[in-house]
Amino acid sequence: NAGVMQNPRHLVRRRGQEARLRCSPMKGHSHVYWYRQLPEEGLKFMVYLQKENIIDESGMPKERFSAEFPKEGPSILRIQQVVRGDSAAYFCASSGGASQPQHFGDGTRLSIL
Amino acid sequence: TQLLEQSPQFLSIQEGENLTVYCNSSSVFSSLQWYRQEPGEGPVLLVTVVTGGEVKKLKRLTFQFGDARKDSSLHITAAQPGDTGLYLCAGLRGGGGGADGLTFGKGTHLIIQP
Repeated sequence: NAGVMQNPRHLVRRRGQEARLRCSPMKGHSHVYWYRQLPEEGLKFMVYLQKENIIDESGMPKERFSAEFPKEGPSILRIQQVVRGDSAAYFCASSGGASQPQHFGDGTRLSIL
Repeated sequence: TQLLEQSPQFLSIQEGENLTVYCNSSSVFSSLQWYRQEPGEGPVLLVTVVTGGEVKKLKRLTFQFGDARKDSSLHITAAQPGDTGLYLCAGLRGGGGGADGLTFGKGTHLIIQP
């Protein structure tokens, strides 16, 4: 499967725990984007990364959220000390360049108890 | 502020009818994408339009980008039950400051009744 792979598909955490969401881009793509989809709302841009660099994190909450895309391995979206309001579907997309079409994974559904 | 307004939000029509979905903005986009999203899955890219006035056809679907690159439309001819789904438009402005991510509309929920 050469598409964007996200795991886990579903993640349940208790308030105060950490959540780690993983994204492997499409083969040949080095640009990764994270989006959040809250119930009844559209997809909202969070962060744009290239290998080992955060290019644009203007959509990321100022606290508790971080993202990385290391030289080797998948991109990680990390949420520390999760709260109920973090419950959402988190989608990753990848592209072959900054202005190229973005292809999405099937998302991680995060539920906070 | 919702930068991309999609209309209608919900649409239910009979098989065989034609329909148009609109995506409007006061902002200029360098490109605009249309996606279709099924429940529990990620958006699947249908088309990208880049040039003002551009028209692209995908079988019974016709996509148009406005001359000023601020709006777009999706027209479906002779709709079929398999066209049922959530259709999303997304614009890319580019240039940093949050503009490298796609700006999404809230989507049009389309139901085609047999």
